[in-house]
Amino acid sequence: SYELTQPPSVSVSPGQTARITCSADALPIQYAYWYQQKPGQAPVVVIYKDSERPSGIPERFSGSSSGTTVTLTISGVQAEDEAEYHCQSADSSGTHVVFGGGTKLTVL
Amino acid sequence: QVTLKESGPALVKPTQTLTLTCTFSGFSLTTRGIRVSWIRQPPGKALEWLARIDWDDDKFYSKTLETRLTISKDTSKNQVVLTMTNMDPVDTATYFCARIAYYSDAFDIWGQGTMVTVSS
Repeated sequence: SYELTQPPSVSVSPGQTARITCSADALPIQYAYWYQQKPGQAPVVVIYKDSERPSGIPERFSGSSSGTTVTLTISGVQAEDEAEYHCQSADSSGTHVVFGGGTKLTVL
Repeated sequence: QVTLKESGPALVKPTQTLTLTCTFSGFSLTTRGIRVSWIRQPPGKALEWLARIDWDDDKFYSKTLETRLTISKDTSKNQVVLTMTNMDPVDTATYFCARIAYYSDAFDIWGQGTMVTVSS
């Protein structure tokens, strides 16, 4: 089955830059989406179509794509950014949605 | 204001059929481009997409679960219903419904989720 691969955890100090990657074969032809999920809450989209930021999401969140890897970058990480981040895309047909395993971002 | 809310049993027995309802407001599933999906998350684990239904009644299912899933809509009640047959303890999870935004194709609005435990 088609899978998106994320690192299980990333740790950064406040003010530093966090980068979370997501890799899969179909990412060059399918958009990626990033969701932030805090404990006990539903996910919230922070990046859509690889690099677009929804209204209301801070500018420190950005996304990029290169080949089979997409990256969520959080510049100037704040304590409130500590959360689980989920990558989402679709298989090559575009009809079946896939989520990555999630990355726990810890702000030291 | 767009909202979605999941409802259904908190506890089901193994082999039973689970029926979950997503009741939404602030949009209509008769509007071109509107889509709603079900997604689940076992405790401490990753999100898993289950199914999607579109404004034109097109339906799509997870390849690994499609033989057990049925998604439907009742536009008069603003509801999307998911049934999952032959429930097993590994199906214990929080089940979310979410709207897919027509302009971004992202899950832009989620329900709060409903926890379902499968146990005898």
